[in-house]
Amino acid sequence: DIQMTQSPSSLSASVGDRVTIPCRASQSIDNCLHWYQQKPGKAPKLLIYAASSLQSGVPSRFSGSGSGTDFTLTISSLQPEDSATYFCQQSYRSPYTFGQGTKLQIK
Amino acid sequence: QVQLQESGPGLVKPSQTLSLTCTVSGGSISSGSYYWTWIRQPAGKGLEWIGRIYTSGSTNYNPSLKSRVSISEDTSKNQFSLKLSSVTAADTAVYYCARGSPYASGTYFFDYWGQGTLVTVSS
Repeated sequence: DIQMTQSPSSLSASVGDRVTIPCRASQSIDNCLHWYQQKPGKAPKLLIYAASSLQSGVPSRFSGSGSGTDFTLTISSLQPEDSATYFCQQSYRSPYTFGQGTKLQIK
Repeated sequence: QVQLQESGPGLVKPSQTLSLTCTVSGGSISSGSYYWTWIRQPAGKGLEWIGRIYTSGSTNYNPSLKSRVSISEDTSKNQFSLKLSSVTAADTAVYYCARGSPYASGTYFFDYWGQGTLVTVSS
C-alpha cells in the first residue's frame, strides 16, 4: 500500500496567517493527490483535486501544489471557519489511502 | 445536486454481518463513469477506503478487508450496499458512502459524500 504521511498532526495559527500543510507519499503518485477538509461530526469536503485544481465553490484562499511524493495545501489568509482537520488522499493505486490528518486550530 | 444517504443498523453483534445501504438522489448510479464507494473512519482516527462499485457493476476492495467485504448495487432503487462479515470491535466506525469522479489521468476523487452513519460492534 502507498503510505501517506501528514506531519505535524496538529498546528495552530492566527486569523490572517498564511498556513501550509504538508503531505508526503511513500512513492511517486504523480499528481494523484487530493485534499479534504473535515469539521467535527461532518463528512469530509473536497477542496483540491489533482494536487492543484480547486474544487468548484471552494474559496480561492485554498491552493495546492506538488507532484511526485511531496505535496502542500496552502491557506493564504486563514479565516476562523478554516478550523478543521485536513486530509490528503492518493488515488494513484488501489487501495486508495489517506493521510492521518492535520488538525488546524485558530489561536 | 447529488446527495447520498447511508442507512442501516447502528449496532451489530460481534461475528455477525454489518449491512449498510447508500441511497443516491439527484443522479443515477447507472449513468456516467462514477465509482460508488464506501469509506470508514474509527472515532478520532483517519479514513480507510473499503471498496467501490463501478457503473458497470464491477467491484474493487481493500485487500485488508477483501475476504469479508461485498459491495452490490440495486439500480432500480438507485442504491448501493455494503456487507462486512465476521465483524469485531475493530470494525466500529463511522461509515461513509461517497461518489468517486474520474478526471483526466484516469484516476478519481471523492466529490460527494453521505453524512456518515456510526456502526458500533458490541454484544
